Amino acid sequence: RKEVEQDPGPFNVPEGATVAFNCTYSNSASQSFFWYRQDCRKEPKLLMSVYSSGNEDGRFTAQLNRASQYISLLIRDSKLSDSATYLCVVNDRSSYKLIFGSGTRLLVRP
Amino acid sequence: DTAVSQTPKYLVTQMGNDKSIKCEQNLGHDTMYWYKQDSKKFLKIMFSYNNKELIINETVPNRFSPKSPDKAHLNLHINSLELGDSAVYFCASSQEVNYGYTFGSGTRLTVV
Repeated sequence: RKEVEQDPGPFNVPEGATVAFNCTYSNSASQSFFWYRQDCRKEPKLLMSVYSSGNEDGRFTAQLNRASQYISLLIRDSKLSDSATYLCVVNDRSSYKLIFGSGTRLLVRP
Repeated sequence: DTAVSQTPKYLVTQMGNDKSIKCEQNLGHDTMYWYKQDSKKFLKIMFSYNNKELIINETVPNRFSPKSPDKAHLNLHINSLELGDSAVYFCASSQEVNYGYTFGSGTRLTVV
């Protein structure tokens, strides 16, 4: 089983739609969780951290379910500029590194 | 004012050659990393240094040798390049892993 699993997509949605991505992780000892965004031929950039209580940043909402080892990202009112690959990222504190999922590709169409 | 800078951005070389990629960060972070992103876009850690000391060394062929002259620099030297080494190599840094990483813009290596 992969340490971090994501649906590769692509998710093809119209502008203005709400879209949700899910991610599962295998290590119950993981302590920190993130969503990164990667545009084509660019480096990954931190989108937001994910906290146990859930957190929101504008149109983006992240949730964590430790019992199910599951992380989600909700994007409301999708914009064309949201088209990118979204990477679910988990820190394994015992090994001091970030483990990246293979990403979910989002395409927002006009 | 680039936070994490890598050079070169593109590298095309023949099999069997030796090449180096350089990375520098001006964020004052203690830890630096090398990640490899293959053609399937999967990002996998290779090495990590904390204050010039190697703390993570994944199962990477020993043709790959990282060097950290100081905590702001982490270079990657690759000997006897093979076709399978073609990938994008990302350098990253962090103060604490809990805060996430800042990535460099990547080095696209093509071995022909």
